[in-house]
Amino acid sequence: GENVEQHPSTLSVQEGDSAVIKCTYSDSASNYFPWYKQELGKGPQLIIDIRSNVGEKKDQRIAVTLNKTAKHFSLHITETQPEDSAVYFCAASRSSASKIIFGSGTRLSIRP
Amino acid sequence: EPEVTQTPSHQVTQMGQEVILRCVPISNHLYFYWYRQILGQKVEFLVSFYNNEISEKSEIFDDQFSVERPDGSNFTLKIRSTKLEDSAMYFCASRTTGGLWAPDNSPLHFGNGTRLTVT
Repeated sequence: GENVEQHPSTLSVQEGDSAVIKCTYSDSASNYFPWYKQELGKGPQLIIDIRSNVGEKKDQRIAVTLNKTAKHFSLHITETQPEDSAVYFCAASRSSASKIIFGSGTRLSIRP
Repeated sequence: EPEVTQTPSHQVTQMGQEVILRCVPISNHLYFYWYRQILGQKVEFLVSFYNNEISEKSEIFDDQFSVERPDGSNFTLKIRSTKLEDSAMYFCASRTTGGLWAPDNSPLHFGNGTRLTVT
């Protein structure tokens, strides 16, 4: 069945350094890959997404890359700040109305 | 910015009782979802709803679960006879993909969840 694997489960980086979170997906029909940030006591919030016709997308300090052949996609956060501390989820979806399948999450901690 | 609202934020119920979780999706959205998150675990898909019917459901969504959109604004999840293992955070979400100019795979917007505790 559809599955999204996410690594690492926890990540601690020094403030100002970069953080990278990696995901793989099993369903070759997936063509939409959102990333969500979840802060304590809140629902997941979309931070960036990428579609299968694009290999890379950047929004300020956040970038995502997608390798459809290898079924890999990654989130890169540069110049990390304390407010980046949260749980990050990757996800994959087939099409406009399909369910989104989440990865298991990465707890990112930014050390001052 | 419009948002998905969920009530209550925390619900405590006894095992075997019925519980209804309520959600008000964003007003122009067409697709509605329920997800759950057991403490410290991944966000799991339960059900999707479109055009007043279930479009997809997971194996978690058994006969004890039902969804309804009774009045065109609220979207509810009912658990008929709660079990201890139903204790989780339940998230409602919505999105729109309608119209010629709307991009495919529009973002899913989540509410802040209802924490359900079954004792």
